[in-house]
Amino acid sequence: GAVVSQHPSRVICKSGTSVKIECRSLDFQATTMFWYRQFPKKSLMLMATSNEGSKATYEQGVEKDKFLINHASLTLSTLTVTSAHPEDSSFYICSAYLDRDGYTFGSGTRLTVV
Amino acid sequence: GENVEQHPSTLSVQEGDSAVIKCTYSDSASNYFPWYKQELGKRPQLIIDIRSNVGEKKDQRIAVTLNKTAKHFSLHITETQPEDSAVYFCAGTRGGGNKLTFGTGTQLKVEL
Repeated sequence: GAVVSQHPSRVICKSGTSVKIECRSLDFQATTMFWYRQFPKKSLMLMATSNEGSKATYEQGVEKDKFLINHASLTLSTLTVTSAHPEDSSFYICSAYLDRDGYTFGSGTRLTVV
Repeated sequence: GENVEQHPSTLSVQEGDSAVIKCTYSDSASNYFPWYKQELGKRPQLIIDIRSNVGEKKDQRIAVTLNKTAKHFSLHITETQPEDSAVYFCAGTRGGGNKLTFGTGTQLKVEL
């Protein structure tokens, strides 16, 4: 089936710095990628939808200047958490949709901001 | 927008017993309802799904039922095993599109 590779799996950064998370579709082209965040013992909350070659669409309440999404190619979508603060610490996970395979999730990134 | 409610939040069963998790949704245009199993720190894994033109689907010990009129769907796990212990999420597509809205999750614990 379709595979989405997500990196890094874990990252610790200092407050005020930026962190980039990458999701690559390995054996298919993803025109759309969904980005979620998940707090401990909570559900997955959709943050934004990245669209290849165009601007991402953000869910209500998600700061687009805080969470920069780039989808410059059909196989790569990135999420950059800018000026990270401890409250941004969370599990971030991407997902792509294919008609033949349904939703395929990346392995997730555990971000800890200290 | 779509709202998906899930119950119960925690569920403990004895090994071999059945487990049932229920979800309700609000968007009548929702047409796809997957169920995911997620272990701590891991990605969600699809265990079964159902589309709105089907009322029931079964895969070995796992089954899902859908009542479109009442806007609810349920996950049934029979003959539970310790390895079934995990967090389970239901989800529904939003507005008939591809965006998923997840339920709040159920922590299932299967005790020996």
